[in-house]
Amino acid sequence: LAKTTQPPSMEAYEGQEVNVSCSHTNIATSEYIYWYRQVPHQGPQFIIQGYKDYVVNEVASLFISADRKLSTLSLPWVSLRDAAVYYCIVTLMLSGSFNKLTFGAGTRLAVCP
Amino acid sequence: GGIITQTPKFLIGQEGQKLTLKCQQNFNHDTMYWYRQDSGKGLRLIYYSITENDLQKGDLSEGYDASREKKSSFSLTVTSAQKNEMAVFLCASSTGTGVEQYFGPGTRLTVL
Repeated sequence: LAKTTQPPSMEAYEGQEVNVSCSHTNIATSEYIYWYRQVPHQGPQFIIQGYKDYVVNEVASLFISADRKLSTLSLPWVSLRDAAVYYCIVTLMLSGSFNKLTFGAGTRLAVCP
Repeated sequence: GGIITQTPKFLIGQEGQKLTLKCQQNFNHDTMYWYRQDSGKGLRLIYYSITENDLQKGDLSEGYDASREKKSSFSLTVTSAQKNEMAVFLCASSTGTGVEQYFGPGTRLTVL
């Protein structure tokens, strides 16, 4: 499984757009990219997943470089509620089989009013 | 929608004591998980179960037992509590493929 590297922490002001990067230089052809976030005193929550190019949902956008070695989670207009630890996970996506998620230390995002 | 319930929310035990943590889900998910999260760290997989009565060891299973009595519940037993395993224990569930997991709020374990 590909190893991921994220900045340990980031800081932003409310209303700013935040981009959290994740490097996965050894990503395999069959591996997908997942992002979770964990607010204090709660379990992680799934945000978005992608394989290549660009994915968007109601919470965030995910940009994946052409060589798939770098992904960027984009959070538009962050609020205090977005203060959390953001985890980038790369894992196989095998239909009909169990796929293990490995949560690293993540990126701690602090949001200032 | 569904929910994952973990009990108790806080668990205090003595060193060497056997302690049990419980988890219930009403998503009707096949797969359930137990993770341990030490303060300021990522999650480590202890056990998972892909169906009722199935058990699979994760990366950190030594010192723990698990039980999947029925599809909706998954228990974790700390066989002999140690001070160095004070952490938050998180339960999760998912459909069979495991990539989108839903987590409970956690049980915080303190060992005296």
